[in-house]
Amino acid sequence: NAGVTQTPKFRVLKTGQSMTLLCAQDMNHEYMYWYRQDPGMGLRLIHYSVGEGTTAKGEVPDGYNVSRLKKQNFLLGLESAAPSQTSVYFCASSYRTGLGYTFGSGTRLTVV
Amino acid sequence: ELKVEQNPLFLSMQEGKNYTIYCNYSTTSDRLYWYRQDPGKSLESLFVLLSNGAVKQEGRLMASLDTKARLSTLHITAAVHDLSATYFCAVEKDYKLSFGAGTTVTVRA
Repeated sequence: NAGVTQTPKFRVLKTGQSMTLLCAQDMNHEYMYWYRQDPGMGLRLIHYSVGEGTTAKGEVPDGYNVSRLKKQNFLLGLESAAPSQTSVYFCASSYRTGLGYTFGSGTRLTVV
Repeated sequence: ELKVEQNPLFLSMQEGKNYTIYCNYSTTSDRLYWYRQDPGKSLESLFVLLSNGAVKQEGRLMASLDTKARLSTLHITAAVHDLSATYFCAVEKDYKLSFGAGTTVTVRA
C-alpha cells in the first residue's frame, strides 16, 4: 500500500518554464490537497479537490492550476515558473469524513 | 480567515526537562492536529484532538485542547534527543487544514 506518491521528488526549473507535479493516492480518498512549505510559514494550502472533476482555490492559488480528472490523481501545474515558487510542495489526501490526512513525501522545487 | 499561531517558534530544550508548545487559533474549528517533521521529511501525525477537554498522550508527548480558549498545548516530558524535530499544529475547518508556522525543537545534553 503506497499511500500518497508524489513525482518528481526534486526539480530545478528556469524562470518561465512550465511543469506539472503529480500526486497519486491508492486509498480511495475523496479529498486531495496541494500545500507549499516555506521556512517560517508552515504549510499553506494552494488548491484542493473534494472529488473527481472538482477543484477549488486555497490560501495561495496564484500562479498555479490544478486538475483532478481521476479520483486517484491530483495534478498541480505551474504555467510560467517564478523564483517565488521555489518551495517544497506536499500533496495530501483524506476521506470525506476527515479524521486523518495522509501526506506525500514532498517535491522540492527550485526556480532559478 | 482562520489564523493559527504557534509559540515559541524555536525551542532549545535541555535533556530531562519539561517544556510546552502553544497553539492558538482564531475561529471555531472541527478538529486539531499535531504533526512532527524531521528535516527533509514529510509530516508524521502525532495526535488528533476532537473535542473540548480532549487529552492524548504518547510516550513523552501529551496534547490537550481547550476549544473555549481556542488553545492547544503540546507538553514534552523529560526531553530526550530523539524529540529534536519541527512540530506543527494544524486546525481543521470545513475539511481543510490551516497550519501554524511550526516550532523547531532542539534537545541538548
